[in-house]
Amino acid sequence: DAGVIQSPRHEVTEMGQEVTLRCKPISGHNSLFWYRQTMMRGLELLIYFNNNVPIDDSGMPEDRFSAKMPNASFSTLKIQPSEPRDSAVYFCASGPGGGREQYFGPGTRLTVT
Amino acid sequence: RKEVEQDPGPFNVPEGATVAFNCTYSNSASQSFFWYRQDCRKEPKLLMSVYSSGNEDGRFTAQLNRASQYISLLIRDSKLSDSATYLCVVLSGSARQLTFGSGTQLTVLP
Repeated sequence: DAGVIQSPRHEVTEMGQEVTLRCKPISGHNSLFWYRQTMMRGLELLIYFNNNVPIDDSGMPEDRFSAKMPNASFSTLKIQPSEPRDSAVYFCASGPGGGREQYFGPGTRLTVT
Repeated sequence: RKEVEQDPGPFNVPEGATVAFNCTYSNSASQSFFWYRQDCRKEPKLLMSVYSSGNEDGRFTAQLNRASQYISLLIRDSKLSDSATYLCVVLSGSARQLTFGSGTQLTVLP
């Protein structure tokens, strides 16, 4: 069975450019999470969707970040404009509901120069 | 104070050793507890849930002390393949979010 799929796996971009990260959750899971991981701050929850509806976006760092989930099988995290401090690994995770079990994708390693 | 605190390590132990990791959490209303494992440059993966009565999965034993808000993970007869970062994770809040500790790095040496 396919796990959580993320693309791209690596992204290098220049400051000021728009970055779009993509996620396909595991079929049948109704919860989706976006995380960011850095050495300094560890793993941080950015936003949580349940049944395609954003439930909690309090972790989104600022207005430059936005996330959408147009349907049950696809979500995007967009950064516009990107800044060097956004460099991190961004993980998408999905779960059957409630956050008890989360299955992480392989992550997107973002470097903003 | 961080919501979930762990000793970052690193813990360097010889193969076959027993090693224990500790974790404390600040929200007394937290509902569920887990240990995740993250290999270098990989995604976190659920290792095991933690139950009040304590639970065991092969060489791994997890304990929860709600009164002290303390969680532990014991690894017996450690293997080289156990080398990873172990993340203490707490589920709480109306949004049922997972809060991750910063992780404890374990290296098992031959």
